[in-house]
Amino acid sequence: QKEVEQNSGPLSVPEGAIASLNCTYSDRVSQSFFWYRQYSGKSPELIMSIYSNGDKEDGRFTAQLNKASQYVSLLIRDSQPSDSATYLCAVIPGGGNKLTFGTGTQLKVEL
Amino acid sequence: DGGITQSPKYLFRKEGQNVTLSCEQNLNHDAMYWYRQDPGQGLRLIYYSQIVNDFQKGDIAEGYSVSREKKESFPLTVTSAQKNPTAFYLCASSQIRGQNYEQYFGPGTRLTVT
Repeated sequence: QKEVEQNSGPLSVPEGAIASLNCTYSDRVSQSFFWYRQYSGKSPELIMSIYSNGDKEDGRFTAQLNKASQYVSLLIRDSQPSDSATYLCAVIPGGGNKLTFGTGTQLKVEL
Repeated sequence: DGGITQSPKYLFRKEGQNVTLSCEQNLNHDAMYWYRQDPGQGLRLIYYSQIVNDFQKGDIAEGYSVSREKKESFPLTVTSAQKNPTAFYLCASSQIRGQNYEQYFGPGTRLTVT
């Protein structure tokens, strides 16, 4: 079992819709969770971090964490074509300080 | 402007040559990291350093070497022992206080070895 798993996609959503990206992790005591956006040929950009169960909102982005079920999700409201990118989920396993990345989900927002 | 710089953006080398990738940060971050990204794969950790003059191997350190002589700088050398060096190399930095381990990335160096 991979430490951090994401569906590779592509996930296609129409412009204006809500995009839902999901990530599961294997280390039950993980404490820190991050979402990065990576445009093709570019480096990852941090868009959200979440540490506690529940929702965290930042503009059009909402991160959701459920430690009991070991998943973290990212919702993008009012999706725009500029949101088309690969979204990487990253987790710091319990007791450590190194990020473990998933392989990313490709999102396509269509006009 | 605060940030992380990597140079060069593109690098071409012949097989058998060592090559050094530069990474500099002016964010006053304690920790620095080197990752490698291959098509269709996630980021894999090569080396990381939490303090000057100290560094640890990541998951794929074989064929690579690093140094951390200054807080701001963390160069990576790709040696001829690295069997598949062609990849996108990413440097990152973070604070390591409390729960805040948010990592920020430089623009990357794309290395091609032929």
